[in-house]
Amino acid sequence: DTGVSQDPRHKITKRGQNVTFRCDPISEHNRLYWYRQTLGQGPEFLTYFQNEAQLEKSRLLSDRFSAERPKGSFSTLEIQRTEQGDSAMYLCASSLEEGQGGHEQYFGPGTRLTVT
Amino acid sequence: AQSVTQPDIHITVSEGASLELRCNYSYGATPYLFWYVQSPGQGLQLLLKYFSGDTLVQGIKGFEAEFKRSQSSFNLRKPSVHWSDAAEYFCAVAPVGPYDMRFGAGTRLTVKP
Repeated sequence: DTGVSQDPRHKITKRGQNVTFRCDPISEHNRLYWYRQTLGQGPEFLTYFQNEAQLEKSRLLSDRFSAERPKGSFSTLEIQRTEQGDSAMYLCASSLEEGQGGHEQYFGPGTRLTVT
Repeated sequence: AQSVTQPDIHITVSEGASLELRCNYSYGATPYLFWYVQSPGQGLQLLLKYFSGDTLVQGIKGFEAEFKRSQSSFNLRKPSVHWSDAAEYFCAVAPVGPYDMRFGAGTRLTVKP
């Protein structure tokens, strides 16, 4: 068990550019979550997957944001036409389903995005 | 409105002193309850959780938390704080299921030598 990994750890981009982040969950976990955390705040839920199905999306996830988990393993989060307000830490977490004892989420180290 | 409140933005305690971090929530039923810790540049680490049963739960690193239904609270405690406990602490609530987690704004803990 190598934990949840995220790549890159830091990303600096110019306003209007597209960015893509990757998350690799713990291998046996079938649920994967994305959160956004801004300075001085707790993480805010963006979306989650069960296997390859995206089951819920927050209203925070505007049409510039898209997330995929094509084979039910790793996931990508893409932000198109980035804005300065997108600057934040993007956290990924994974878990088992409740029926499999999945009562907690395990978090990755996050990707810090800075939009200049 | 449904919410998770951590009333203390920043707390400073001396090393060896006791600690209590407050968390209140406003959801109808008893939700799943969690405390996470985040050190600078690190992801969130789960300290403890409550789903049902004994209202006093023990976690890692010597932390414990008590669920009080009448007060809609889930306060985190530690009898003797170590310098390495300096970090940001987040209370989280999952009203529907573990996938539906909502976080408080966090409490930053500073430990004085």
